[in-house]
Amino acid sequence: GQQLNQSPQSMFIQEGEDVSMNCTSSSIFNTWLWYKQDPGEGPVLLIALYKAGELTSNGRLTAQFGITRKDSFLNISASIPSDVGIYFCAGRRYGQNFVFGPGTRLSVLP
Amino acid sequence: DAGITQSPRYKITETGRQVTLMCHQTWSHSYMFWYRQDLGHGLRLIYYSAAADITDKGEVPDGYVVSRSKTENFPLTLESATRSQTSVYFCASSGSGMNTEAFFGQGTRLTVV
Repeated sequence: GQQLNQSPQSMFIQEGEDVSMNCTSSSIFNTWLWYKQDPGEGPVLLIALYKAGELTSNGRLTAQFGITRKDSFLNISASIPSDVGIYFCAGRRYGQNFVFGPGTRLSVLP
Repeated sequence: DAGITQSPRYKITETGRQVTLMCHQTWSHSYMFWYRQDLGHGLRLIYYSAAADITDKGEVPDGYVVSRSKTENFPLTLESATRSQTSVYFCASSGSGMNTEAFFGQGTRLTVV
């Protein structure tokens, strides 16, 4: 089936640092979504993007819908310990199911 | 409570037994999905439903059965559980519009012994 690539697979950062991660696809999507999953919990929606080039923020999080519609980026500014978790991207074409990336595991060192 | 809820949160069952995982959403979303999450495989779609009485197979449907007699409920049944079905199962729902998001339940951790 369709696959999304996320990078990096994992990252260790110091508290206070900014974080960047991205998601790429060989196919065009109409919707890009970013989720965070804490241990033992379900993925929680962080940001939804619907237009190519769209830049949307949610607190310290900012995500962008790539111009080519084949990629998306998520930035976290001034990381804090509770940012630890797995970040998933998802794409969707009209009338089709969601496609999820494998996730980026974020660890924040105090 | 509003949202999407799964039950049970944890379940241990024996090989060969039938087990049903429940999913209930209060948003009247048209679409509902079942995923399993395993290390190294991410989220894999088992079954989905576009509306009541409409269901379709996803990527890994073998060994699972679903039904959707009411919009708000989407139970997943393992007819004869196998150890390979040990996993974390997530239910999700979304609206039917062009710009929609998926919302997930808290998951059911199923262990087949």
